[in-house]
Amino acid sequence: SQQGEEDPQALSIQEGENATMNCSYKTSINNLQWYRQNSGRGLVHLILIRSNEREKHSGRLRVTLDTSKKSSSLLITASRAADTASYFCATDADQAGTALIFGKGTTLSVSS
Amino acid sequence: ETGVTQSPTHLIKTRGQQVTLRCSSQSGHNTVSWYQQALGQGPQFIFQYYREEENGRGNFPPRFSGLQFPNYSSELNVNALELDDSALYLCASGSFKQGETQYFGPGTRLLVL
Repeated sequence: SQQGEEDPQALSIQEGENATMNCSYKTSINNLQWYRQNSGRGLVHLILIRSNEREKHSGRLRVTLDTSKKSSSLLITASRAADTASYFCATDADQAGTALIFGKGTTLSVSS
Repeated sequence: ETGVTQSPTHLIKTRGQQVTLRCSSQSGHNTVSWYQQALGQGPQFIFQYYREEENGRGNFPPRFSGLQFPNYSSELNVNALELDDSALYLCASGSFKQGETQYFGPGTRLLVL
């Protein structure tokens, strides 16, 4: 079953613009992660934010977490064509140990 | 590069056949997890192995089985293939700790005809 749900499903922007993707989840979590996937290949880990953190930065990435609303957002600043990919949020699932539960993803297209 | 490798990269099978997919974990990691990703969907957790034993399983039938070897490499076996098994199969390695980062391989794309 899907835990996280990303919004929007698809996003098209121009190079240099910022891209914001949102994720909502259903149950309490220990942490939330964002992954990127290029053209149906393997997932690349972008950032992990723990449940006691509200904001985290990594390069051009900014992630926020609001546990009261069970939501997170990923902001990519000054987007580049190379950022074109699918982005997934993933949360942990207590009953499955260290399993990650993924949403359906946001497909980002950055045109030059 | 995550250091996680998978083989083969692509595979075509027919319905009813059996398939074995392989994964080599990143050095220092002691868990291996397998995920199935259907087209247009997010990855779905199949199961995880830790110390060569199954350590959690998602909503997949018993015809999905696995092995983890002492060198932390792993296999995913699927028996009696069905058309709906067509998907990208992802292997991920990590450390045994709740919700920690997992490092994914490039995947094996399986097509069942």
